[in-house]
Amino acid sequence: RKEVEQDPGPFNVPEGATVAFNCTYSNSASQSFFWYRQDCRKEPKLLMSVYSSGNEDGRFTAQLNRASQYISLLIRDSKLSDSATYLCVVNLNTGGFKTIFGAGTRLFVKA
Amino acid sequence: DAGVIQSPRHEVTEMGQEVTLRCKPISGHDYLFWYRQTMMRGLELLIYFNNNVPIDDSGMPEDRFSAKMPNASFSTLKIQPSEPRDSAVYFCASSLGSGFRGTYGYTFGSGTRLTVV
Repeated sequence: RKEVEQDPGPFNVPEGATVAFNCTYSNSASQSFFWYRQDCRKEPKLLMSVYSSGNEDGRFTAQLNRASQYISLLIRDSKLSDSATYLCVVNLNTGGFKTIFGAGTRLFVKA
Repeated sequence: DAGVIQSPRHEVTEMGQEVTLRCKPISGHDYLFWYRQTMMRGLELLIYFNNNVPIDDSGMPEDRFSAKMPNASFSTLKIQPSEPRDSAVYFCASSLGSGFRGTYGYTFGSGTRLTVV
């Protein structure tokens, strides 16, 4: 079993739609959680951190469920520019930096 | 801030040649990471430094790979000799490390697209 698992997609949605991605992690020692966005042939960019209390940034909402070991990302009112690969990232509490990147979920937003 | 700066952006080299990739992290970031990304394997951590000291190099594929960080503003990843299977995008990233809410995220450079023929 992979340490961080994501549905690879692709998710094909029309502009204005709401889309949600889930990600599961296997290690209960996981401490910090993030969503990154990666455009084609570009570097990953931090989208948002994910906290137990949940957090929102404009159209984006991230949730963490420690009991079930999954995190989610909700995108409301999708824009064409949201088309990208979304990477789920987990950092383990090992005393050092053990950061696991998921393989990513591809999103295509169409006009 | 200019962000994490990597050079070169593209590198095409022949098998057996030495390749050196360069990275300048964000000033003040204590952690520097080298990643490799391929379609098959995704993002793989090769090595990371804390305050210029290599902490974990368990991801370095083999002895052909070496990394240095002589000072807080510069790091290199060297492949000698290069092989076609080393073809990938190599990313450098830097981070502040940890805060009271956990670890900080990373800022990635634009990457070096390496092709070994």
